[in-house]
Amino acid sequence: ILNVEQSPQSLHVQEGDSTNFTCSFPSSNFYALHWYRWETAKSPEALFVMTLNGDEKKKGRISATLNTKEGYSYLYIKGSQPEDSATYLCASRGSSNTGKLIFGQGTTLQVKP
Amino acid sequence: GAVVSQHPSWVICKSGTSVKIECRSLDFQATTMFWYRQFPKQSLMLMATSNEGSKATYEQGVEKDKFLINHASLTLSTLTVTSAHPEDSSFYICSARDFSGLETQYFGPGTRLLVL
Repeated sequence: ILNVEQSPQSLHVQEGDSTNFTCSFPSSNFYALHWYRWETAKSPEALFVMTLNGDEKKKGRISATLNTKEGYSYLYIKGSQPEDSATYLCASRGSSNTGKLIFGQGTTLQVKP
Repeated sequence: GAVVSQHPSWVICKSGTSVKIECRSLDFQATTMFWYRQFPKQSLMLMATSNEGSKATYEQGVEKDKFLINHASLTLSTLTVTSAHPEDSSFYICSARDFSGLETQYFGPGTRLLVL
């Protein structure tokens, strides 16, 4: 994989449903994987920065896992709420650059009450 | 904490004019600031990386004479789109990273530019 790819592109769930998205990234020269939540008309909000293979991070109802060997990360939202509606971006940073992030196109989540 | 502002939030200009966009870190000192552009239905694409007091590093395919970047202080970076044309219409967004060495980049809310 040469680019960062996210799936699905969009997702519609009911309030209370749990959901997950996938981020695939180049596994060679990996340095860090970032997850952001981006609500309309606001700044992208940093959720997680993950660096270690097998790492798992949690923030409230949101958690993420990382597999650097195969080049993927999952973001999970437990019991989705309408306020979780946003675009979720992942971005990969390689070890051969100085902070450059390669972004996926994002997964847009809409949670219906 | 870690708030980044961007001004203006949107701008409409005539073809041939220059537009300046400001990116400020409000409550921290940003050693490095990044400028991204996003076209409809596409990813955020890095345009350039700017370090305070030094010349910006531009990504391949980004014209440095067209997109002038100045990072004169630890809290302010500016992007000037010179002689803007309709194809420069896009969403421009900046991010900043602080001294701490942590990975996180803090983003501004972005600027939507429409060149008529």
